[in-house]
Amino acid sequence: KNEVEQSPQNLTAQEGEFITINCSYSVGISALHWLQQHPGGGIVSLFMLSSGKKKHGRLIATINIQEKHSSLHITASHPRDSAVYICAVSTEETSGSRLTFGEGTQLTVNP
Amino acid sequence: GAGVSQSPRYKVAKRGQDVALRCDPISGHVSLFWYQQALGQGPEFLTYFQNEAQLDKSGLPSDRFFAERPEGSVSTLKIQRTQQEDSAVYLCASSLTGWRGNTIYFGEGSWLTVV
Repeated sequence: KNEVEQSPQNLTAQEGEFITINCSYSVGISALHWLQQHPGGGIVSLFMLSSGKKKHGRLIATINIQEKHSSLHITASHPRDSAVYICAVSTEETSGSRLTFGEGTQLTVNP
Repeated sequence: GAGVSQSPRYKVAKRGQDVALRCDPISGHVSLFWYQQALGQGPEFLTYFQNEAQLDKSGLPSDRFFAERPEGSVSTLKIQRTQQEDSAVYLCASSLTGWRGNTIYFGEGSWLTVV
């Protein structure tokens, strides 16, 4: 079992739909990151969370430390949101040295 | 440029050939990371530098993999005697002082195909 699991693996939505991607982890963490990866490999950091909720534009990220679960929400989705969304954690043992990544969620938003 | 720069962007190597992948982190960033990402999977940690010191190399898959950052800025990941299973995207990332409290900046990756 992976330490970081995401669901769903693939998600197709129509433009304007509200989207939720989930991340569960099984280890103690010092921070959780949501990343976006476009075709061609470039990765962009969206959020870093250790508690609560963060919002940036149409993106919202939440984390429940007790349940070891985080969600990434996209409101009013748009085709340009199509990308792979990756959840990654910095664990208490490795804090400062590495991230452990989920396998990513491929999001396709159709016009 | 202001971002993390990697070269080459694409490399095709014959099996058994040595390759060298370069990473130019953001100027002033202390921490530098290398990750390997196989097709359809999330990145896997390879190694971590703090300035010129390689603090963690536990993710390097074999002794054919070697990384250095001799002056605490540019880093090179070297793969000797490449094998087909080495085909992947090699991602470099940097941050100001490590993960906690700092934004991570990734390069666009070096796509290695071993034929």
